[in-house]
Amino acid sequence: DTAVSQTPKYLVTQMGNDKSIKCEQNLGHDTMYWYKQDSKKFLKIMFSYNNKELIINETVPNRFSPKSPDKAHLNLHINSLELGDSAVYFCASSQTRDTGELFFGEGSRLTVL
Amino acid sequence: GQQVMQIPQYQHVQEGEDFTTYCNSSTTLSNIQWYKQRPGGHPVFLIQLVKSGEVKKQKRLTFQFGEAKKNSSLHITATQTTDVGTYFCAAQGYSGAGSYQLTFGKGTKLSVIP
Repeated sequence: DTAVSQTPKYLVTQMGNDKSIKCEQNLGHDTMYWYKQDSKKFLKIMFSYNNKELIINETVPNRFSPKSPDKAHLNLHINSLELGDSAVYFCASSQTRDTGELFFGEGSRLTVL
Repeated sequence: GQQVMQIPQYQHVQEGEDFTTYCNSSTTLSNIQWYKQRPGGHPVFLIQLVKSGEVKKQKRLTFQFGEAKKNSSLHITATQTTDVGTYFCAAQGYSGAGSYQLTFGKGTKLSVIP
């Protein structure tokens, strides 16, 4: 079983559309994250949830809305997609909010045309 | 806020040569982590350093944490083609209100010429 799994792996869509990415972890971790990796490979934190509570909300357009229905799931919904949203989005989890070692999912490559 | 500088951004080496990447923080850190991302893959945790002056080894990889807990390095001896990828440091520092924030460096992309 994959520890952190996210779907879909690839999304290709037109500008202005709305899309969602789902993430699930089966590690029993308390904390989950969304990271964005652009074409230059920079990894930027977007959001973090600890036991379903939002604890990190970096400067991200409000077109991005995370949702955590339970501590094993963290989804990302993006409204009105723009060209600059094209990137690889990684979900990750850690045992607690202050514990090292992030476990990353395989990533979801979003291409906005 | 916490800033993390990682250099170099790129490194091309001949197979068998050594490689080092450096990470510097503007603030004293709680700990530092290192990750490796293979081309087309996802970041994978390598190690965490916590103590001042700590040195850890994993086969040909040597990780160091500075005495002041503000800098770290990853050294690979005698690189192999399997070492190809981007190496990220991730610095964990105190961000106030009883919480810690993890900040990734921009990574060093290692290419190994066979």
